[in-house]
Amino acid sequence: GENVEQHPSTLSVQEGDSAVIKCTYSDSASNYFPWYKQELGKRPQLIIDIRSNVGEKKDQRIAVTLNKTAKHFSLHITETQPEDSAVYFCAADPSLNKLVFGAGTILRVKS
Amino acid sequence: NAGVTQTPKFQVLKTGQSMTLQCAQDMNHNSMYWYRQDPGMGLRLIYYSASEGTTDKGEVPNGYNVSRLNKREFSLRLESAAPSQTSVYFCASSRGLMGQYFGPGTRLLVL
Repeated sequence: GENVEQHPSTLSVQEGDSAVIKCTYSDSASNYFPWYKQELGKRPQLIIDIRSNVGEKKDQRIAVTLNKTAKHFSLHITETQPEDSAVYFCAADPSLNKLVFGAGTILRVKS
Repeated sequence: NAGVTQTPKFQVLKTGQSMTLQCAQDMNHNSMYWYRQDPGMGLRLIYYSASEGTTDKGEVPNGYNVSRLNKREFSLRLESAAPSQTSVYFCASSRGLMGQYFGPGTRLLVL
């Protein structure tokens, strides 16, 4: 079955710096890759997603890139702010509607 | 729209007791899911329902049963709770190959 690995497990950046979180997946059938942000004690919330026919997608300060050949995708956050501090999860969809999640990255933005 | 709702928010059970976690969505989504979230392990799929009248096992189904009562409601039952089932349980829903939207979660403690 699909396996999603996420790195790093924790990431500390200075406010205003960029943050990059990387994920690799194993199943070449996966064609949908969402990213979720989860604040402490809250539910995961979808922040951006990308499909396999697209290499990059941007939404204001966040962007996601996908390399299907290498089976990896990344989340980029620019100009980080304290409110970006949270746990971020990547996921891959190897069969319709069935997401497999990475273990998560704790992002701390220091002001 | 309330989105995805879950009850109860918090529950304490003794080993061997049973309970049902309730989930409802008002977004007219076809697919619904139950996940458990444990520290350092991300979100793991317990069961999912691709459409009304169908249910399928996910990654960690042992010890759980589900019912897709109608298009809106998807319940998760623990017949005989065990301490290993102490976790935070999230329900989610989606329409087709699109992002999943999560409920607020149920914190379950099994003593």
